[in-house]
Amino acid sequence: KQEVTQIPAALSVPEGENLVLNCSFTDSAIYNLQWFRQDPGKGLTSLLLIQSSQREQTSGRLNASLDKSSGRSTLYIAASQPGDSATYLCAVRNTGNQFYFGTGTSLTVIP
Amino acid sequence: NAGVTQTPKFRILKIGQSMTLQCTQDMNHNYMYWYRQDPGMGLKLIYYSVGAGITDKGEVPNGYNVSRSTTEDFPLRLELAAPSQTSVYFCASSFFGGGNQPQHFGDGTRLSIL
Repeated sequence: KQEVTQIPAALSVPEGENLVLNCSFTDSAIYNLQWFRQDPGKGLTSLLLIQSSQREQTSGRLNASLDKSSGRSTLYIAASQPGDSATYLCAVRNTGNQFYFGTGTSLTVIP
Repeated sequence: NAGVTQTPKFRILKIGQSMTLQCTQDMNHNYMYWYRQDPGMGLKLIYYSVGAGITDKGEVPNGYNVSRSTTEDFPLRLELAAPSQTSVYFCASSFFGGGNQPQHFGDGTRLSIL
């Protein structure tokens, strides 16, 4: 069974700092990996989706990488802003239709 | 631009009661999903559907039922509510198999069983 782990569980950084969030998974036979943002009391917003054949995806200040063989993905956030404060979740889709989520990293960006 | 709409947003049930959580999407997505999110835990897939008339179990289906009579709607039914079903429920949808298309989520239904 796929296990998805996100470290750290919580992170607090000063505004303007670059930061990296980590996601690891135990079964490398994935179809894709997706990073989400979740604000308190809200649903999930998709940030980036990386196909299993890709190494990275970029959107604005966000860059996600994927190393399928080692079971790792990172989400890099450049020049962090207070508005980036949220919980960040990663999810992997196995070659079936099952999705497995990590427990998330709660990010606080201090002005 | 409604996206995925879930109703109700909040609900309190007594043990043994039943209810249906509604989910509708207006993006003509063929895939739809139901998840539950417990405090400090990741989302767990309850059921999913690849198209009208087709549903399948996810990781935690016990105690729930679903149906998919139209492309737009994917209701989740709790027949005999139990305290263990207290959770936040999210509905999501995606285009085709979701392989290269992101999932879109509703804002959730917060359900308490007392």
